[in-house]
Amino acid sequence: DQQVKQNSPSLSVQEGRISILNCDYTNSMFDYFLWYKKYPAEGPTFLISISSIKDKNEDGRFTVFLNKSAKHLSLHIVPSQPGDSAVYFCAASALNQFYFGTGTSLTVIP
Amino acid sequence: NAGVTQTPKFRVLKTGQSMTLLCAQDMNHEYMYWYRQDPGMGLRLIHYSVGEGTTAKGEVPDGYNVSRLKKQNFLLGLESAAPSQTSVYFCASRERFGRYYGYTFGSGTRLTVV
Repeated sequence: DQQVKQNSPSLSVQEGRISILNCDYTNSMFDYFLWYKKYPAEGPTFLISISSIKDKNEDGRFTVFLNKSAKHLSLHIVPSQPGDSAVYFCAASALNQFYFGTGTSLTVIP
Repeated sequence: NAGVTQTPKFRVLKTGQSMTLLCAQDMNHEYMYWYRQDPGMGLRLIHYSVGEGTTAKGEVPDGYNVSRLKKQNFLLGLESAAPSQTSVYFCASRERFGRYYGYTFGSGTRLTVV
């Protein structure tokens, strides 16, 4: 049973606009959440994270929002750039294990 | 500083053959993981290790074995490969302590079982 879900397999956005990627989770024990970015033929790389004690974390063009009551996580990219085109995985952590979503493929159109 | 290195990068196996995937990290990380990535399935945890000499099962451990004889190496073995094990395999490691404990991933091993 998938504990972390990304219901949108793909997303296309115009360059300069906002990209919003969503993630839902089911396990209330998760206490740390991360976003990873993956280019083809490469391993995922860490992008941004948030602890369950916060509801927002910002790093440059990337902001992650956490809504614990809704068990919902989102990643905002503003402004979107063509180099942001990649697959984005959200992940949630409990104890020693991380659980990953199925990924959303983002295409930023120049 | 190479980070996490996986070998080989590509491999084709016949059904029933065996092989070992090697993961090496030079960051002195305690925790190491093996994931497989399949279309529409995301990254699924196969096995993990919280330190030298220890291993534990993840979500999809059947058909795989692992060993962590040295802290820097984590081996994933397929004793009798099956077509269902065709996948991209990623190794990852992380520090034990610290507020930031995200993974460092290797670049992956693409395995095809025919």
